[in-house]
Amino acid sequence: DGGITQSPKYLFRKEGQNVTLSCEQNLNHDAMYWYRQDPGQGLRLIYYSQIVNDFQKGDIAEGYSVSREKKESFPLTVTSAQKNPTAFYLCASSSGLAGGDTGELFFGEGSRLTVL
Amino acid sequence: GESVGLHLPTLSVQEGDNSIINCAYSNSASDYFIWYKQESGKGPQFIIDIRSNMDKRQGQRVTVLLNKTVKHLSLQIAATQPGDSAVYFCAENRGYAGRRALTFGSGTRLQVQP
Repeated sequence: DGGITQSPKYLFRKEGQNVTLSCEQNLNHDAMYWYRQDPGQGLRLIYYSQIVNDFQKGDIAEGYSVSREKKESFPLTVTSAQKNPTAFYLCASSSGLAGGDTGELFFGEGSRLTVL
Repeated sequence: GESVGLHLPTLSVQEGDNSIINCAYSNSASDYFIWYKQESGKGPQFIIDIRSNMDKRQGQRVTVLLNKTVKHLSLQIAATQPGDSAVYFCAENRGYAGRRALTFGSGTRLQVQP
């Protein structure tokens, strides 16, 4: 089945450690996104990529980094510079500009990061 | 500043009643709106969308209304069921050059009482 796979589902890290969250899609979508969700709040955009080898900062990019070396993959690294990394992280994809962007995002099941 | 927001953080309805969830937006340049449903611990799921050249769109048990004059969006759920209990988000695509990413509101929790 086509979809978006995020891993790991749960992740614990110590302060000062970098962690990388994986996001893979087999929908042949051009665009991919990372959102952060805090309890009782909406989704805030961290980074997005409209095409391979290109990405742009979203609203809360500080302390995060991404890469887009393959169309299918858009990993997110939460660095030690992120002051409050405990959150639920959601990856999404869309058909993007090249595919006639409807705007609809397809989401993964999320990764919950807890800093100990 | 520009924002997408919701009038009510929590809505409680009786099973079988109709539900109406409201959303206000402030950017008149937004050209595409979506409603998502999110169950606890899961990713958001698409419910229904509407483009700015429309004022109403219907799906299965759901209707989205768009009032561009007052920048208001609503989601109507007919015959609400326990399975409809979730957090509902409206999102807008602001459509400004170079950024094709949705901006989300803070969400409304729908609680369906049996």
